[in-house]
Amino acid sequence: EPEVTQTPSHQVTQMGQEVILRCVPISNHLYFYWYRQILGQKVEFLVSFYNNEISEKSEIFDDQFSVERPDGSNFTLKIRSTKLEDSAMYFCASSDQGGDIQYFGAGTRLSVL
Amino acid sequence: AQSVTQLGSHVSVSEGALVLLRCNYSSSVPPYLFWYVQYPNQGLQLLLKYTSAATLVKGINGFEAEFKKSETSFHLTKPSAHMSDAAEYFCAVRRNSGNTPLVFGKGTRLSVIA
Repeated sequence: EPEVTQTPSHQVTQMGQEVILRCVPISNHLYFYWYRQILGQKVEFLVSFYNNEISEKSEIFDDQFSVERPDGSNFTLKIRSTKLEDSAMYFCASSDQGGDIQYFGAGTRLSVL
Repeated sequence: AQSVTQLGSHVSVSEGALVLLRCNYSSSVPPYLFWYVQYPNQGLQLLLKYTSAATLVKGINGFEAEFKKSETSFHLTKPSAHMSDAAEYFCAVRRNSGNTPLVFGKGTRLSVIA
């Protein structure tokens, strides 16, 4: 069964460093999403991406964040200068043209020290 | 704006007992509603969805949920709990147009006691 793949599973970084979280969506999907879950809190939407541009973003997705689809398979989330409060589980999701269902990856746990 | 409230951050049931996980939503437009499950060290897996067809929705692993507009609820049930049902369960809502973001509840951790 096709699945969304995220790498790495755990990323540890120092405050102020740049990190790139990687996702390989399901191959025929057209819509891509990033969500995050701070420990003990809700899963929160960050950004959605379609046709090589951001289609919607939340207040959390400020100038420190960017997304890119550098090739036909990868979808990345970059945090330019990490802060302690960026520590969270980051989930990538994708959906097809119909869009009813978003399929999630296993997540990347980001720890900012 | 849309929101989801899951009552009970932790629910514990005996094996074979009824599972009831509560979810209430708020939405200014007709919603699509979802239940996702997360097993340890895994991603969010869709259990079931309501997208304005039948109000009683059946999902995987014997789970079902009923959309009740008058109560703004979408509670998840399973007649008989199994040890393998122990996981975190998330209720989510989104607008029923386009590929719109999901708004999640805080999740309910289900423990099943032998």
